[in-house]
Parts: sequence; structure tokens; C-alpha cells
Amino acid sequence: GAVVSQHPSWVICKSGTSVKIECRSLDFQATTMFWYRQFPKQSLMLMATSNEGSKATYEQGVEKDKFLINHASLTLSTLTVTSAHPEDSSFYICSARLRKGLGNTGELFFGEGSRLTVL
Amino acid sequence: DQQVKQNSPSLSVQEGRISILNCDYTNSMFDYFLWYKKYPAEGPTFLISISSIKDKNEDGRFTVFLNKSAKHLSLHIVPSQPGDSAVYFCAASAFGNQFYFGTGTSLTVIP
Repeated sequence: GAVVSQHPSWVICKSGTSVKIECRSLDFQATTMFWYRQFPKQSLMLMATSNEGSKATYEQGVEKDKFLINHASLTLSTLTVTSAHPEDSSFYICSARLRKGLGNTGELFFGEGSRLTVL
Repeated sequence: DQQVKQNSPSLSVQEGRISILNCDYTNSMFDYFLWYKKYPAEGPTFLISISSIKDKNEDGRFTVFLNKSAKHLSLHIVPSQPGDSAVYFCAASAFGNQFYFGTGTSLTVIP
């Protein structure tokens, strides 16, 4: 089946530094990728929708200058947390949607998630 | 209003036997479902997902079953291992938007 790989799975950084998380679709082309964040004891919140070759669409309340999303190719989207602070510590997960067509339904596949801890 | 429910807060299973964790939802628009595993003092780990176009998805010892008419999904772990002891959460979403979590089921696998 389709595989989405997310890297790194764990990252610890100092406050003020930037962290990049990669989301790759390994064996399929993904025109759309989604980035989520889980707050403690709360649901997984959609942060932004990333479309290949165009700007990401951010959900209300998500700072686009803080969370930079780049979807430069059909197999890679990156999330960069800029000038990270302890309140950015969270679990981030991506999902990729199969490119529709030739019988594909546009199903979602999920990465393993990335645990960010900002000291 | 709790849209995703896990009615069993805890479950104990003997090592080697099957563990069955259940999850019910109320929103018929949900079309993606996830299971997460969480160890104490650690972040959640994505386990397995299923979309509404399928009724079963298998990954090694883990199988998720979806019954759309009953709005019910279940996670089967077989054979259960002591390392599987953790809290398991199910989550559901419509069209890849916000995911709604259940309250979790604490699984204990007895050696």
C-alpha cells in the first residue's frame, strides 16, 4: 500500500532555533498534503493544506510566518517551525492524498508523526 | 458532544491472545479514522488508519475493521504482546479536516 514517511520522528531544539519536518510520499504522487498538530489531551488540529506548486492554505489561528510550509514536488512537503518556543512543543503529523484519477479515490495516508520538544 | 466514543476505559488480555479495542462515532460524514498508541510520559504514536472506502486494513499484528452502517470501528491486535500495553485512542475526521479523538482505552497485556 501507499507509504508516507515523516522525518524526524523526534526532535529536541533550543528556544529560538528553527526546525524542519519532512513529509514524503514514497511510492505515489501526492498533490495535496495536510499538516496537523496535536495539543495535549486534545484533538488533532488541522494546521494547513499544502498543494504542490502553490501556497499553502492555513487554518484560522495558525501563523503562516511561524509555520512555513513548502510543497515543492509531488512527493515532498516540509513544515518549518521558525524561531521555535516551548509552547510550540507538540506532536506534528502529516498526511498525503493520492492523486485522483485512474480509479484512485484520493485516499489519505498518514506519516508516523514528529514529536517536537523545544527547551 | 462526544462524536467519537471509546466505551471501555480499560482492557486486560493474556499475552498471545487477541486484543479487541472498540470505537463508536456519531457523525456519518467521517471518512478517515486513525488509531494511536500512547505510552505514559511519551507522545502518541500513529498506529494504523482506514478510510471509509474500505472495511478492513491490516498491518502486521494490527488490523482495523470499519462497519459504516453501525458507525463502529475496532482494532484487533493478535497475538498481543506485553509491549502493546499502552493507551489506545481512535480518531475520526471528515475530508481530512480536524480529527476528533475518543477518550482512550488502556490496554494491559499480561505476560
